[in-house]
Amino acid sequence: DTAVSQTPKYLVTQMGNDKSIKCEQNLGHDTMYWYKQDSKKFLKIMFSYNNKELIINETVPNRFSPKSPDKAHLNLHINSLELGDSAVYFCASSPPPHYEQYFGPGTRLTVT
Amino acid sequence: AQSVTQPDIHITVSEGASLELRCNYSYGATPYLFWYVQSPGQGLQLLLKYFSGDTLVQGIKGFEAEFKRSQSSFNLRKPSVHWSDAAEYFCAVGAGTAGNKLTFGGGTRVLVKP
Repeated sequence: DTAVSQTPKYLVTQMGNDKSIKCEQNLGHDTMYWYKQDSKKFLKIMFSYNNKELIINETVPNRFSPKSPDKAHLNLHINSLELGDSAVYFCASSPPPHYEQYFGPGTRLTVT
Repeated sequence: AQSVTQPDIHITVSEGASLELRCNYSYGATPYLFWYVQSPGQGLQLLLKYFSGDTLVQGIKGFEAEFKRSQSSFNLRKPSVHWSDAAEYFCAVGAGTAGNKLTFGGGTRVLVKP
């Protein structure tokens, strides 16, 4: 009965590679998000989708491209990975009316 | 611009003692406030939320928080800490709308002594 799930949980790859992280929620929420947590535990929003439409796009390199095939899924594709992309990436979803966010378990990305 | 400050990076508390974690926010409109807990290697779990009404809100795991508009604060409390409360705690502020961009504080790590 997992609410927000992410795959993979761990991802180790080399610089220059392209990788994707998948997120699925079974809560019936319309809004989904991607956050990045750096090595100092600082959390920062990257993207937000509402009903498959991009509504927040923070200052993120265009090597990062989110895709929402349907309301229950929000994937994150990263091109030409760099060392600085190493972090934990969290997916979240939220319901109206107050849009509190429910987070997935995170994907730890390590770029070598 | 919205911001959240958690002044305490680390707090050590004895099991059974009370705990208070501080959170100060800066927000131009009515804030929607949240506390999350992150256990090692885990995702963030929502402890409690404040939208309006009673300024003392109850959450899960015996936590409560008090909203004080005059002090721009939303401090988290627990009367008696259990060893399982050792974790990182994050305060966050948002707009409460679709595309609710949460701004997080830097977190407070809680260590529990036996």
